[in-house]
Amino acid sequence: DIQMTQSPSSLSASVGDRVTVTCRASQTISRYLNWYQQKPGKAPNLLIFGASSLKSGVPSRFSGSGSGTDFTLTISNLQFEDFATYYCQQSYRTPITFGQGTRLEIK
Amino acid sequence: EVQLVESGGGLIQPGRSLRLSCSASGFTFGDYAMSWFRQAPGKGLEWVGFIRSKADGGTTEYAASVKARFTISRHESKSIAYLQMNSLRTEDSAVYYCTRDQAVFPYWGQGTLVTVSS
Repeated sequence: DIQMTQSPSSLSASVGDRVTVTCRASQTISRYLNWYQQKPGKAPNLLIFGASSLKSGVPSRFSGSGSGTDFTLTISNLQFEDFATYYCQQSYRTPITFGQGTRLEIK
Repeated sequence: EVQLVESGGGLIQPGRSLRLSCSASGFTFGDYAMSWFRQAPGKGLEWVGFIRSKADGGTTEYAASVKARFTISRHESKSIAYLQMNSLRTEDSAVYYCTRDQAVFPYWGQGTLVTVSS
């Protein structure tokens, strides 16, 4: 199985900040990497697919980059509604696997 | 508008069986694979498995943790995907989500809670 490791596990930031979450795969996954946002009690929401393609309707302050084994999710100009948990997910092969999540909290 | 609505969750004793349903609308159900995920309380997301579209053979794949206990099926005319869960264990307690597709998941249901406890 492909292991996905996110860092940090939690992060404190302020409105207006720029934050970066990293995700590392245990083997190369090309660009088959997707990012989700999840708020308490809600289903995950796809933000970015194919490492860097923004899902329609997602604000442009979200961006993704990377290929191979190392990927990043960057949120610029943090807004109040961005405080949530973020997961990376590989779609290179089954079993589909996720990172353990990064909880973004208000400082 | 794509809508996915799960149902069938509840409290169930260890060793028993439960079937979850995912009612789909807003898209041509037969053209898409359907997947199931779960999330234990306070934990991360776990893929359970998927069923391919009929055109792609309707075959299934499962996580090792549920293989041989869980079965995913689909009813084309009703646009429903099912997750049959047998020999349930306490560690199967989670919110179960159904999604459309098998690799990237832009559409999710609201989830249904399954609690396995005596």
